Amino acid sequence: GQNIDQPTEMTATEGAIVQINCTYQTSGFNGLFWYQQHAGEAPTFLSYNVLDGLEEKGRFSSFLSRSKGYSYLLLKELQMKDSASYLCAVRNRDDKIIFGKGTRLHILP
Amino acid sequence: GAVVSQHPSWVICKSGTSVKIECRSLDFQATTMFWYRQFPKQSLMLMATSNEGSKATYEQGVEKDKFLINHASLTLSTLTVTSAHPEDSSFYICTRYPTLNQPQHFGDGTRLSIL
Repeated sequence: GQNIDQPTEMTATEGAIVQINCTYQTSGFNGLFWYQQHAGEAPTFLSYNVLDGLEEKGRFSSFLSRSKGYSYLLLKELQMKDSASYLCAVRNRDDKIIFGKGTRLHILP
Repeated sequence: GAVVSQHPSWVICKSGTSVKIECRSLDFQATTMFWYRQFPKQSLMLMATSNEGSKATYEQGVEKDKFLINHASLTLSTLTVTSAHPEDSSFYICTRYPTLNQPQHFGDGTRLSIL
């Protein structure tokens, strides 16, 4: 089976840092994605990790540990516009991209 | 700019109508494209893999006679929801594989509302 787990909801304060965790058990692994999705819109690509370690891109960073089946997305200097759902997705051995249920992030002023 | 174009953005129609959604890869020839469905406040569920020149492969639980997929050219895949009913109302999104140069690989989605 395929299982991708992430928290359902998180709340953080504007200007703060938040870490969204994702654990996965999938049929093979060819990379892990993070997407941002605002209500009513299609997902927007944030990051893609294939190798272990931290990838930094501006205010967003993504970490991967393949041995632990674990990733996190780190958002720094939070802004109100960061209020959205964040989707963790894994590319399995069939090259299908399977999504977790998403984490709804609420930013408080 | 966008690398996957999806049309239409919105569809509202009566129960029993068949609806066709188009998905175009704009920057390169995509032999494989994927169709997802998303119900309100839920995540994206993979429905099927569209393969150019051959039959689509459907995920478990997705009715192939209900959701017809055609991938007749290297840049166009279509999803037809046949005899749509209110329970088919959803957000349908297509995508192709991301590339290093173009990681933004999702279409803008089609919101389907069946009355």
